[in-house]
Amino acid sequence: KNQVEQSPQSLIILEGKNCTLQCNYTVSPFSNLRWYKQDTGRGPVSLTIMTFSENTKSNRRYTATLDADTKQSSLHITASQLSDSASYICVVSSLTGGGNKLTFGTGTQLKVEL
Amino acid sequence: DAGITQSPRHKVTETGTPVTLRCHQTENHRYMYWYRQDPGHGLRLIHYSYGVKDTDKGEVSDGYSVSRSKTEDFLLTLESATSSQTSVYFCAISDRGANYGYTFGSGTRLTVV
Repeated sequence: KNQVEQSPQSLIILEGKNCTLQCNYTVSPFSNLRWYKQDTGRGPVSLTIMTFSENTKSNRRYTATLDADTKQSSLHITASQLSDSASYICVVSSLTGGGNKLTFGTGTQLKVEL
Repeated sequence: DAGITQSPRHKVTETGTPVTLRCHQTENHRYMYWYRQDPGHGLRLIHYSYGVKDTDKGEVSDGYSVSRSKTEDFLLTLESATSSQTSVYFCAISDRGANYGYTFGSGTRLTVV
């Protein structure tokens, strides 16, 4: 069964600090991995999308890494801001006979405090 | 969420009543999806559409139906609402399909009492 596990479930950090969120997956065959940011009361917004051959991808203060061998990804947030408070969702796409299937993690709830 | 609008944003309904949620897009994207989001679960696919009048079931389709008579509109109907269908429903659009990026709507919070 395809699964995406995220850790930690929740995290509180002080403004200006860095943090790293983890995503482990057992999805096969792998097509790509995405990180989304979901603000409270809003829909998820894409941060990065990484294919099998990409190890690192950055988007402003967000840096995602992918290790396809160990089936792990991380999202590193640098110099956190209050506006980074949100749920961060890891999504893995797999190729099936019927097309692409997305498996969503349950998210890491990040709170950035003063 | 420019280009994709969900309505209503909030709804409370009684058990056993039919409910229709609407997703409207102005991006002319071919693919449209309905997901539900519940605590402790990742987003789960209910139904999707790959063109006008072309729809298919997702992993949690029981109790739901969809229609797409125009490119821009994708309707989700709960035929007889149950308390287990209390959830936040998200519509998503894509121009190239599930393997590429999605744009999500802002969601509809549905409460069935």
